[in-house]
Amino acid sequence: DGGITQSPKYLFRKEGQNVTLSCEQNLNHDAMYWYRQDPGQGLRLIYYSQIVNDFQKGDIAEGYSVSREKKESFPLTVTSAQKNPTAFYLCASSVRRQGDTGELFFGEGSRLTVL
Amino acid sequence: AQKVTQAQTEISVVEKEDVTLDCVYETRDTTYYLFWYKQPPSGELVFLIRRNSFDEQNEISGRYSWNFQKSTSSFNFTITASQVVDSAVYFCALSRRLTGGGNKLTFGTGTQLKVEL
Repeated sequence: DGGITQSPKYLFRKEGQNVTLSCEQNLNHDAMYWYRQDPGQGLRLIYYSQIVNDFQKGDIAEGYSVSREKKESFPLTVTSAQKNPTAFYLCASSVRRQGDTGELFFGEGSRLTVL
Repeated sequence: AQKVTQAQTEISVVEKEDVTLDCVYETRDTTYYLFWYKQPPSGELVFLIRRNSFDEQNEISGRYSWNFQKSTSSFNFTITASQVVDSAVYFCALSRRLTGGGNKLTFGTGTQLKVEL
């Protein structure tokens, strides 16, 4: 079945360590996104990528980095510079053709806890 | 700037009651989409409905219905005869097309719905 796979589902990290969250999609979508979810704050956009080898900062990019070497993959690295990394991270994808309906498809999320 | 407000943080109802989740949005765009997503305890966001800014027809899908009123910038969601399986967090979202394709969604803070027996 087509979909978005995020791993790991749960991750624990010590302060000062970088950690990479994986996101893979087999929907043949050009655009991919990373959102962060905190209790009571909804979802906020971290980074997005519209084509391979290109990505743009979202609203809260500080302390994060991404790469887009393959169409199917959009990993997110939470660096030690991110001051409050404990959160639920959601990856999404969408088409980007003219006239698309704007719908994003989401993975099941990765919950990161910093100890 | 785009903004979505879901003023109801948490709603508790008894099974079979009807419940309405409110959503108010702000945008200067003339063309946009509005969405409702459901987030069950598993965490994944499940798409429920999409509404084009030019289409103000209300929509019904089984026990779900949506009321879009452009004049009041609202896109409310009603569940009729609620069931325990409806318990989840519900998000309203507003899209903006990105230069180069794709869409940025701005989400509300979500409404936690609890349906009890």
